[in-house]
Amino acid sequence: GNSVTQMEGPVTLSEEAFLTINCTYTATGYPSLFWYVQYPGEGLQLLLKATKADDKGSNKGFEATYRKETTSFHLEKGSVQVSDSAVYFCALRGQAGTALIFGKGTTLSVSS
Amino acid sequence: SAVISQKPSRDICQRGTSLTIQCQVDSQVTMMFWYRQQPGQSLTLIATANQGSEATYESGFVIDKFPISRPNLTFSTLTVSNMSPEDSSIYLCSVIMGASTTNEKLFFGSGTQLSVL
Repeated sequence: GNSVTQMEGPVTLSEEAFLTINCTYTATGYPSLFWYVQYPGEGLQLLLKATKADDKGSNKGFEATYRKETTSFHLEKGSVQVSDSAVYFCALRGQAGTALIFGKGTTLSVSS
Repeated sequence: SAVISQKPSRDICQRGTSLTIQCQVDSQVTMMFWYRQQPGQSLTLIATANQGSEATYESGFVIDKFPISRPNLTFSTLTVSNMSPEDSSIYLCSVIMGASTTNEKLFFGSGTQLSVL
């Protein structure tokens, strides 16, 4: 079945450091890929998404490129801020109308 | 977009009792799902709520423990039955609007934080 594997956290960075959170997936066909963020005490928010190979999703300085050849959707940001501290979830959806499958989440902690 | 009202937002319950969580959407949606997020964990899909028929449950979840109703295209309930402390979690309703991968949008309710004593 479909699944998502994320790098284990927590990830601890200093402000303005470069961020990469790895995400790989297993799926049949051509899934859509997502990154969600959950700030402390808040609900899930969609950060970015990509629906086909080579698409790049971007939002708030974060980027992720859908790489079918490596079945990956790594999240990157060039310069993190303290306000980026949150839990980040990679997710996929196998086809239209089906539920999201989530990775285990990666906690990011950014210090000033 | 869709506005999802999920109730209650939180509850503290005694073991052995049951709690019904409601999910109301302000417009008709294609699909409705229920998730669980245990403390410090990711979201796990419990089931797909099917309109007018029995829900489709994921492995590890059964109808006797988590009965689900979906009487129409805008409303669903999830009941957590015969609760134990292990059921303490956040329960989330999620909906899909749209008919294809490129134009469909997903939304999440604000969640129900359940604590079982």
